[in-house]
Amino acid sequence: GNSVTQMEGPVTLSEEAFLTINCTYTATGYPSLFWYVQYPGEGLQLLLKATKADDKGSNKGFEATYRKETTSFHLEKGSVQVSDSAVYFCALSPISSGSARQLTFGSGTQLTVLP
Amino acid sequence: GAGVSQSPRYKVAKRGQDVALRCDPISGHVSLFWYQQALGQGPEFLTYFQNEAQLDKSGLPSDRFFAERPEGSVSTLKIQRTQQEDSAVYLCASSSDRVGTDTQYFGPGTRLTVL
Repeated sequence: GNSVTQMEGPVTLSEEAFLTINCTYTATGYPSLFWYVQYPGEGLQLLLKATKADDKGSNKGFEATYRKETTSFHLEKGSVQVSDSAVYFCALSPISSGSARQLTFGSGTQLTVLP
Repeated sequence: GAGVSQSPRYKVAKRGQDVALRCDPISGHVSLFWYQQALGQGPEFLTYFQNEAQLDKSGLPSDRFFAERPEGSVSTLKIQRTQQEDSAVYLCASSSDRVGTDTQYFGPGTRLTVL
């Protein structure tokens, strides 16, 4: 079956530090890949996504590249801010024709950025 | 426009009670998903609707869990004879199902605590 393995946290960084959160997946074919973020007290929000190999998703300074050869989708940001403190989830949806597909999530990585 | 809303936001139930959790998806969204998120874990798929049709209920953990979407918009997740292991955050997500998109938009969740 499908699965997502995510770097365990918590991760604590100083403001302006470089961030990497590792994510690898197991799936049949070439799924779509996502990063969702959950800020304190809020619901899950889509941060970025990539739908095919070598695609790069980017948003708010965050980037992730769909690597088929390593089945990975690592999240990076060059300079984190205090406001980036949140829980980050890597997820996939399987390849399928037609309608929307269920998401399989990793266990989440808690990021705390200190001023 | 309005996002996905869920009610109640918090629910405390005594073991053995029945509960009903409501989801209002984004207007016009065809697909609706329910997920269960245990403390410190990523969300796990429960069930999926396309309009009023429940196309996948493979993630429902037992026959005590029941979901419906009778008119293809609002959905209700019902849990009968609640157990302590049912304590979790229940998330609803909707998707427009337009060709080429599979982004799911999440509600804030209902936190269920079973005493």
